[in-house]
Order: sequence, then C-alpha cells, then structure tokens
Amino acid sequence: DIQMTQSPSSLSASVGDRVTITCRASQSISTYLNWYQQKPGKAPNLLIFAASSLQIGVPSRFRGSGSGTDFTLTISSLQPEDFVTYYCQQSYTTPRTFGQGTKVEIK
Amino acid sequence: QVQLQESGPGLVKPSETLSLTCTVSGGSISTYYWNWIRQPAGEGLQWIGRINGGGSTNYNPSLKSPVTISVDTSKKQLFLNLSSVTAADTAIYYCARDGLSRALDIWGQGTMVTVSS
Repeated sequence: DIQMTQSPSSLSASVGDRVTITCRASQSISTYLNWYQQKPGKAPNLLIFAASSLQIGVPSRFRGSGSGTDFTLTISSLQPEDFVTYYCQQSYTTPRTFGQGTKVEIK
Repeated sequence: QVQLQESGPGLVKPSETLSLTCTVSGGSISTYYWNWIRQPAGEGLQWIGRINGGGSTNYNPSLKSPVTISVDTSKKQLFLNLSSVTAADTAIYYCARDGLSRALDIWGQGTMVTVSS
C-alpha cells in the first residue's frame, strides 16, 4: 500500500493567515493527489483534485501543488469557516489511502 | 444533481454481518466507480473498497473483516457487507463517487454503525 503522511497533524493560526499543509507519499504517485476538507459532523468535501485543480465551487484561496511524492495545500488567507480538518488522498492505485489529517485550529 | 444516501442498521452484534445500502439519485450509476469509506469516531478516513457499474471490484486488503461490495444498477444501489464484525468496525460509513477526475467528488452524509452486544 502507498502510505500518505501529512504534516503537521494540527496547527494553530489566525484569521487572515497563510497556512501550508504538506503530504508525502511513500512512492511516486505522479499528480494523483486529492485534498478534502471535513467539517465536524459532515462528510469530507473535495477541494483539490489532480494535485492542483480546484474543484468547482471551491474558493480560490485554496491552492494545491506538487508531484511525485511531495504535495502541499496552501490556504492563502484563512477564513473563519476554514478552521476544520483537511485530508490528502492518493488516487494513483488501489487501495486508495488517506493521510491522517491536519486539524487547523484558531490561535 | 447526483446525491448519495446510505442506509442500514445502526447497531450490529459482534461476529454478525454489517450490511449497508447506498442509493444513488439524480445520475447514472453505470459510468463510475462507487466507493465505501469509513471513519471511526475522532479518527481518520479508511478506504474499504469500490465497485463499478459492471460489478468490477477493488478491496482494501488491510481490513480484518471480510468485505463484499455489490451493485444493483436497476435500483441504482450499491451494497456493503462486512462479515464477522468486531468493535473495531464501529464507525461512520460513507459511500462516495469516484469522479472522472479519480477523486471522490460526491459523498453521502454517512451512517453511524456501532458494533456491540
């Protein structure tokens, strides 16, 4: 299985801050990397697919980059609704695997 | 607009079979892969497996409980069976569509299943 390692597991930030979450794959996955946002009590919601493509309806403050084994999700200016949990996931092969999640908390 | 709805018993006894249904509305079931994912309380996401409209499946070999995923295209439903469950199978279970982008672009709201006697 391809292991996905996210860092940090949590971070504290303020409204308006720029934050970056990283995701590393245990082997090359080209750009088959997706990012999801999960609000408490809700299903995950797709933010970014294919490493850098913004899902329809997702605000432009979310940006994904990377290829191979190293990827990043950047939120350019945190809004109050962004203080939730984010997951990366590889879709290069099965079994699909997720990172362990990054919880973004209010400082 | 495609919507997914999971359904099934909220409580299953240990060693019994967990059976869930995901009903697809507002779109075709034949074109895509359909996934089951679960999330224990306070933990991360675990991919269980997937099926396409033709019945081709992929499973996560790390699951301890045997898994079967099936589909009924005429009813636009997919099914999850997890046998010989233990307390470790207690989780929220989601179904989700594998979009053309190979990302999970549409999710059901999830259904909570507790394994307990």
